[in-house]
Amino acid sequence: GAVVSQHPSRVICKSGTSVKIECRSLDFQATTMFWYRQFPKQSLMLMATSNEGSKATYEQGVEKDKFLINHASLTLSTLTVTSAHPEDSSFYICSAIGGRGVYGYTFGSGTRLTVV
Amino acid sequence: GESVGLHLPTLSVQEGDNSIINCAYSNSASDYFIWYKQESGKGPQFIIDIRSNMDKRQGQRVTVLLNKTVKHLSLQIAATQPGDSAVYFCAENGGATNKLIFGTGTLLAVQP
Repeated sequence: GAVVSQHPSRVICKSGTSVKIECRSLDFQATTMFWYRQFPKQSLMLMATSNEGSKATYEQGVEKDKFLINHASLTLSTLTVTSAHPEDSSFYICSAIGGRGVYGYTFGSGTRLTVV
Repeated sequence: GESVGLHLPTLSVQEGDNSIINCAYSNSASDYFIWYKQESGKGPQFIIDIRSNMDKRQGQRVTVLLNKTVKHLSLQIAATQPGDSAVYFCAENGGATNKLIFGTGTLLAVQP
């Protein structure tokens, strides 16, 4: 079945530094990927839609200069959290279209980001 | 970002009982719905989906019901097991953009 690999699974960084999270579709091509953010005991909040070869579309209230998204190939999208601060600490999850179900949304295993 | 609600209700059931988890969705134009299971520290896991031209779909031990009139989804789990303990989310596809928007979520706690 369709698999989305997300790395790293956990990362701790110092305040002010940048962190890159990778999302790869391993056995299918994903023209569209999505990035979500999830705080403890809360739902997944859509941050942006990433389309291969074009600029990402950000949801209202999401800072595009802080959360840089690059979808340079049909199998890889990256999310870079720039100048991270403790309030950016969260669980980040990517999703790609192309797997199981009508649209085939397939999720990565998530990245736990802790900014200290 | 979009989300529906910031609270996480809890449903506590006895092992072997049937569970019913409910969800109210927001967009009357949504034409596709999915139920996900999420365990702590992991990504969402697909359970079952349903298109808007159906009102019921069954899988293995799970059934999804869709009531478009009141914009309501439910997930029924038969003979609930301890391994079913997790947070369950409904998600709706809003149409042309293919964005998948998640509902509030329900924590299912199965008591042995």
